[in-house]
Amino acid sequence: EAQVTQNPRYLITVTGKKLTVTCSQNMNHEYMSWYRQDPGLGLRQIYYSMNVEVTDKGDVPEGYKVSRKEKRNFPLILESPSPNQTSLYFCASSFPSGYGYTFGSGTRLTVV
Amino acid sequence: SQQGEEDPQALSIQEGENATMNCSYKTSINNLQWYRQNSGRGLVHLILIRSNEREKHSGRLRVTLDTSKKSSSLLITASRAADTASYFCATPTGANSKLTFGKGITLSVRP
Repeated sequence: EAQVTQNPRYLITVTGKKLTVTCSQNMNHEYMSWYRQDPGLGLRQIYYSMNVEVTDKGDVPEGYKVSRKEKRNFPLILESPSPNQTSLYFCASSFPSGYGYTFGSGTRLTVV
Repeated sequence: SQQGEEDPQALSIQEGENATMNCSYKTSINNLQWYRQNSGRGLVHLILIRSNEREKHSGRLRVTLDTSKKSSSLLITASRAADTASYFCATPTGANSKLTFGKGITLSVRP
C-alpha cells in the first residue's frame, strides 16, 4: 500500500530534550515536506526536500532541522524543543512537487 | 500570506443535501487541489484541477475552476455523515512549488 509513515503518533517531551520524528514513504517520491498545523494558523511548511541531499527552508524553519540521506526517509529533528513547538506535525510526499501530496497520519507533539 | 482562502469557514447540512465550498486565491496557478482532513488525522488528497480545466468530477465530488475570478468551488452531492471533516484548498506556489493551504472549511453533516 502506498503510504507515508510517521512515528511516533503522539509524543510528550520536556523542554530542551532533543527528539526526532521519523518519516518514510514507499512511493519513490522525490519531493518531501514537513508541515505543522496550529489552530487559527492553518498548515505551515517547515522544511522541504526536492531530492536526496537537497533540502531547504519553508516558512517556519526556526528550531528545526531535517536531513535527506535516502530517498524514502525525511526525519524532522528538534535539537532543543520549546513549548511553542507544541503542534500537530505532518510529513508529506509527492511526485513531482506541486501535485497531489500523500500525507502521513501526523505526530502530535507536546513540549512541557 | 495565505494563498487560498476558503468560504464559508463552517457549514452544517443535513444528510442527503449538497455541500458547496468555495476557495479564492491570489496569484496565478497551474493547478488547484482539494483535501479532506478528518479530526486530527492526515490530509487526504481528493481532486486536482489544472488551470486549463474548468470542471472536473470524481464520484460525488465536482470541482470547478474560474481562473479569471481566481476562484474554485467544491461540490459534494448527496452528502453523508461520513463526509463530516475539514476541507482545504491548496495551490502550488513559489520556486519549489510548495503547496500553500487555506485555513479550511469545517463541514458537519447531520444524520
